[in-house]
Amino acid sequence: EIVLTQSPGTLSLSPGERATLSCGASQIVGNNYLAWYQQKPGQPPRLLIYGASNRATGIPDRFSGSGSGTDFTLIISRLEPEDFAVYYCQQYIRSPQTFGQGTKLEMK
Amino acid sequence: QVQLVQSASELKEPGASVKVSCKASGYTLTDYPINWVRQAPGQGLEWMGWINTKTGTPTYAPGFTGRFVFSLDTSVSTTYLQINSLKAEDTAFYYCARIGRGPGWYFELWGRGTLVTVSS
Repeated sequence: EIVLTQSPGTLSLSPGERATLSCGASQIVGNNYLAWYQQKPGQPPRLLIYGASNRATGIPDRFSGSGSGTDFTLIISRLEPEDFAVYYCQQYIRSPQTFGQGTKLEMK
Repeated sequence: QVQLVQSASELKEPGASVKVSCKASGYTLTDYPINWVRQAPGQGLEWMGWINTKTGTPTYAPGFTGRFVFSLDTSVSTTYLQINSLKAEDTAFYYCARIGRGPGWYFELWGRGTLVTVSS
């Protein structure tokens, strides 16, 4: 199984700042089959990015994804108050699909 | 409106069974497979497996074989997750999720989740 390791575990930033979240894979994620999700308390996950760099429908352009192989990044260019949440990466190239353990983005 | 509507929260005793439902609304259930994802309180996401909504064939992830059963009833556009012989460690939110239109199985549409609490 492909293990995804997200860093940092917690990121403390202020609105208006730039957030950089990382996701490392234990094996190559072929076809860049890597997605990012945002989850707020009491809500299901929300798809942000698929195919490593494609924004899902309705996702603001301050969210961007990049990377290939085993190293992937989610960048939020200018944080809005509603962006503070937990973020998960997911690989879907190989079964079982796996998720990272999450990065909590908290307001400083 | 395209959505997945899940059943209400459940409180069960250890050893009992529970059946969680997930109804597809606004699209044809059989057009996409349905996946199930578990999230224990305060923890991360675990993929449990999926059901082929055209054939009813389930596929279970490692760790979710034996006590977990996926099924469907296309006449009511609904898929089900049944958990037998419940244990305290089964306490979690259970989400159904539909894949997107692009290549690969990322989860574009999620139900709101069903909390199953196992306690005596």
